Amino acid sequence: EAQVTQNPRYLITVTGKKLTVTCSQNMNHEYMSWYRQDPGLGLRQIYYSMNVEVTDKGDVPEGYKVSRKEKRNFPLILESPSPNQTSLYFCASSSRQGALLNTEAFFGQGTRLTVV
Amino acid sequence: GDSVTQMEGPVTLSEEAFLTINCTYTATGYPSLFWYVQYPGEGLQLLLKATKADDKGSNKGFEATYRKETTSFHLEKGSVQVSDSAVYFCALARSGYSTLTFGKGTMLLVSP
Repeated sequence: EAQVTQNPRYLITVTGKKLTVTCSQNMNHEYMSWYRQDPGLGLRQIYYSMNVEVTDKGDVPEGYKVSRKEKRNFPLILESPSPNQTSLYFCASSSRQGALLNTEAFFGQGTRLTVV
Repeated sequence: GDSVTQMEGPVTLSEEAFLTINCTYTATGYPSLFWYVQYPGEGLQLLLKATKADDKGSNKGFEATYRKETTSFHLEKGSVQVSDSAVYFCALARSGYSTLTFGKGTMLLVSP
């Protein structure tokens, strides 16, 4: 079954304690991205990756890091989490056929992060 | 920059009512347009898409027509069901750019 898997689904942590949210896809997609979803703000892109070892900032990258060492994995790293990073996070992947125009983005089920 | 504006929710309807969720966009060139749906506790799923002006996307009884003259992509369904209760996101992808720009989402609540 084609899917994007995020772990963990729920996480409560304390300010300043480094954490990693993992994302893995089994569709051999080149493109992967991370979004955060906040009430009244919709989805905002944090980082994206066009392929292995190629990453770029989205709209709200501050406080986050990513890496793309393998095609299937795209972890999101919060080196020093703060309460304003409390949010619902989604990983997504899609294939590239030129631009993104005709390809569907597949989303993970989300990770609800609370930073206290 | 690119932007997508959706009507604010929640939209509350009775079963079998007609649904319209408005979406307008601002983008350079000729973007592709999408509607994604998020059911409670789940990730987003593609509902329908249109890649050029006057295209109509359709799926599961939902329809949306790409109107370049009004820069709109309104979502419609003739008869909603309780199972359609979800958050609906309008999005665009601009030619040459591999990112999706989302609207803020519109919650739909359908009562029996």
